[in-house]
Amino acid sequence: NAGVMQNPRHLVRRRGQEARLRCSPMKGHSHVYWYRQLPEEGLKFMVYLQKENIIDESGMPKERFSAEFPKEGPSILRIQQVVRGDSAAYFCASSPMTCASGTDTQYFGPGTRLTVL
Amino acid sequence: GNSVTQMEGPVTLSEEAFLTINCTYTATGYPSLFWYVQYPGEGLQLLLKATKADDKGSNKGFEATYRKETTSFHLEKGSVQVSDSAVYFCALAMDTGRRALTFGSGTRLQVQP
Repeated sequence: NAGVMQNPRHLVRRRGQEARLRCSPMKGHSHVYWYRQLPEEGLKFMVYLQKENIIDESGMPKERFSAEFPKEGPSILRIQQVVRGDSAAYFCASSPMTCASGTDTQYFGPGTRLTVL
Repeated sequence: GNSVTQMEGPVTLSEEAFLTINCTYTATGYPSLFWYVQYPGEGLQLLLKATKADDKGSNKGFEATYRKETTSFHLEKGSVQVSDSAVYFCALAMDTGRRALTFGSGTRLQVQP
């Protein structure tokens, strides 16, 4: 059973370009979370999605950042007009469909390390 | 809001030493608690979890007990190995509303032979 897959693993962009990060959840998982890790810091929540729905985007910057999880295909985190401060590791996690109560474990992908020159 | 506080690192130990990494939390309600481990250049792996007070999570010789009275979830291991060198993150998640993980800042463990 394949784990959470992310690509690319490393991405280099120049200031002003667009970065597109992909995440394929584990088989059978319909919930996706995106987190950002700045150097030497912990992970910070960005956005929580289910298929075709954004459930919680309270951690995502209001400008330049967007996320989607279409009915078919991977979840995509898009950063437009990147700046040096966007350089970080971006991790995706997935969990199975949850019941009304209870917390499902999140399983993390290997991350995409974005470097903005 | 919810928050997690971990002891700062790095923690440097000799092989076979006893490990404790402190973690305390603040939450509205009753969260589930987690320890994740991150090896260099890799993503996070779930190490153990506990979902209610007095639960003990354990895995690979690591243990942590959910202490509601002290709002703590300290990670322990009786005898560390060089291969345990990594960054350890304590985290919490609520079971209703926002389900995202709230992480501590991480504690780097270095085990010397």
